[in-house]
Amino acid sequence: SYELTQPPSVSVSPGQTARIPCSGEALPKKFAFWYQQKPGQAPVLVIYKDTERPSGIPERFSGSSSGTTVTLTISGVQAEDEADYYCQSADSSGSYAVFGGGTQLTVL
Amino acid sequence: EVQLVESGGGLVKPGGSLRLSCAVSGFSFTNAWMNWVRQAPGKGLEWVGRIRSNTDGGTADYAAPVKGRFTISRDDSKNTLFLQMNSLKKEDTGMYYCTTDPFWGQGTLVTVSS
Repeated sequence: SYELTQPPSVSVSPGQTARIPCSGEALPKKFAFWYQQKPGQAPVLVIYKDTERPSGIPERFSGSSSGTTVTLTISGVQAEDEADYYCQSADSSGSYAVFGGGTQLTVL
Repeated sequence: EVQLVESGGGLVKPGGSLRLSCAVSGFSFTNAWMNWVRQAPGKGLEWVGRIRSNTDGGTADYAAPVKGRFTISRDDSKNTLFLQMNSLKKEDTGMYYCTTDPFWGQGTLVTVSS
């Protein structure tokens, strides 16, 4: 079955840049989406179609894609950005969606 | 205002059935491809399945762990999405969300336990 791979955790100090990679074989052909989830809350879409930012999401959130890896970048990390982040995409057929295992972002 | 409100969760014994609903308002449900996503306690997000809009065929796809046991359907006249869950297992326990990007509901909790 198709898998997306993320690091379990990333730690940064306030004001620094956090980068969360997500790798998968079909990513060169399928768009990726990124979700932020804080404890006890539903996920929130922060990046769609690899690089697009929904309205209301701060500009410090950005996405990029290179080959089989997509990356969520948070510039100038703030304490409120501490959360779990999930990438999501589809298998090569487009029939099945899959989430990465999630990355816990800790703001030191 | 966009709202997705899930309901129907609860405690059920292994082997039992449950039907979840998701009432939608504030956007064009008829044109939306709708997903169910679940999250086991303390675990990550897991895609359960998706149903296309009726104009795109109205067919559904399912994740391997639930295929053959779960059925997704929709009633466009009532702006409501359904998830029929049969032959429930303990590993089906978790919060179930309905979603169509960028909108998510707050989830309904399903607990499968004897």
